[in-house]
Amino acid sequence: GAVVSQHPSRVICKSGTSVKIECRSLDFQATTMFWYRQFPKQSLMLMATSNEGSKATYEQGVEKDKFLINHASLTLSTLTVTSAHPEDSSFYICSANDQGLAVQETQYFGPGTRLLVL
Amino acid sequence: GNSVTQMEGPVTLSEEAFLTINCTYTATGYPSLFWYVQYPGEGLQLLLKATKADDKGSNKGFEATYRKETTSFHLEKGSVQVSDSAVYFCAPAGGFKTIFGAGTRLFVKA
Repeated sequence: GAVVSQHPSRVICKSGTSVKIECRSLDFQATTMFWYRQFPKQSLMLMATSNEGSKATYEQGVEKDKFLINHASLTLSTLTVTSAHPEDSSFYICSANDQGLAVQETQYFGPGTRLLVL
Repeated sequence: GNSVTQMEGPVTLSEEAFLTINCTYTATGYPSLFWYVQYPGEGLQLLLKATKADDKGSNKGFEATYRKETTSFHLEKGSVQVSDSAVYFCAPAGGFKTIFGAGTRLFVKA
């Protein structure tokens, strides 16, 4: 149980285009979903926290107009990288909390999306 | 604010060696403590967790004990395998926010 999927797993795009990444909880309802960015050989950097039906909370330094997050249902959150540039190339990982669990801080991670902007 | 410090890697061990990866944290209150593992090219997976002082989390031969007095949550395994090669993240969590350590890369040689 507690499986999170991400799509696509890998995407290459041209500079200036927008890219949408989907994060789905497959067998549970996710109260909260998180979006992280991971640079090579580094830890995860939390970008934003999204709750179903409300606006995402962005971490300091993350541009909310550039990284649009939508959490329309308890099983789906999307991250759109708008007007992507080469410096946006990274590994993006989402995670979700299972609201049915007693230890609600347990996070279940998607497999990640590798974005390369040319 | 909350923070976490974990042992720098990479750690290179021979198969069947004993593993310890140190992790200490600072936090207000009593966070839940997690170890996550990331295999090459993949996302993170929950390895084990502990939610209160003196709890021991265990999974796949790995263990970690929640030590409130030393604010530590060291990861141990008695006999590592090549398949344990991965990056390990210590992660205290409180209030639905998780802080990740820098990660410790483990290489296990056959």
